[in-house]
Amino acid sequence: DTAVSQTPKYLVTQMGNDKSIKCEQNLGHDTMYWYKQDSKKFLKIMFSYNNKELIINETVPNRFSPKSPDKAHLNLHINSLELGDSAVYFCASRGRGTEAFFGQGTRLTVV
Amino acid sequence: DAKTTQPPSMDCAEGRAANLPCNHSTISGNEYVYWYRQIHSQGPQYIIHGLKNNETNEMASLIITEDRKSSTLILPHATLRDTAVYYCIVRVDRTRYQLTFGKGTKLSVIP
Repeated sequence: DTAVSQTPKYLVTQMGNDKSIKCEQNLGHDTMYWYKQDSKKFLKIMFSYNNKELIINETVPNRFSPKSPDKAHLNLHINSLELGDSAVYFCASRGRGTEAFFGQGTRLTVV
Repeated sequence: DAKTTQPPSMDCAEGRAANLPCNHSTISGNEYVYWYRQIHSQGPQYIIHGLKNNETNEMASLIITEDRKSSTLILPHATLRDTAVYYCIVRVDRTRYQLTFGKGTKLSVIP
């Protein structure tokens, strides 16, 4: 079983559209994250949720909104997509005293 | 979290030990040293972490200097599948804190 799974793996969409990326973890972890990796390969934290509560919200446009329906899920909604949103988005989870587990990433291409 | 400095790239012959250095001269007493790697097109993968003692697991060894200002990740017998970007991260081990990734070291294992 995949520990942290993201869907879809690839997403191609037009500017101005609204899209969602789903993330699920079956590790029983309390904390989940969204990271963005841009074309220069820098990995940057976007959001962190602990027990469904937003803990960290880095400087991210408010077009990006995380939604955590339960501890095992942290979905990322993006409104009015722009060309600069093209990147690979990684979901991760971490339990108390454990290392972080990352999903395989979602490659978003905005055309 | 303290900053880290790593060489941008390194080569290693297949079957030889790969020694990846990391400087963290501003590390404080309660900060751990974590190592992750990212193989092309995959999510980051946890390797090992330590506080002040040397650590070893099935993937690698971590050697931390006595003053804790630098560390070395050792892959004892590098294979082609170890080609990846390796990230050294220093952080306090608290559940709510995120991992902050730097530029890492691109390790190329050569046949």
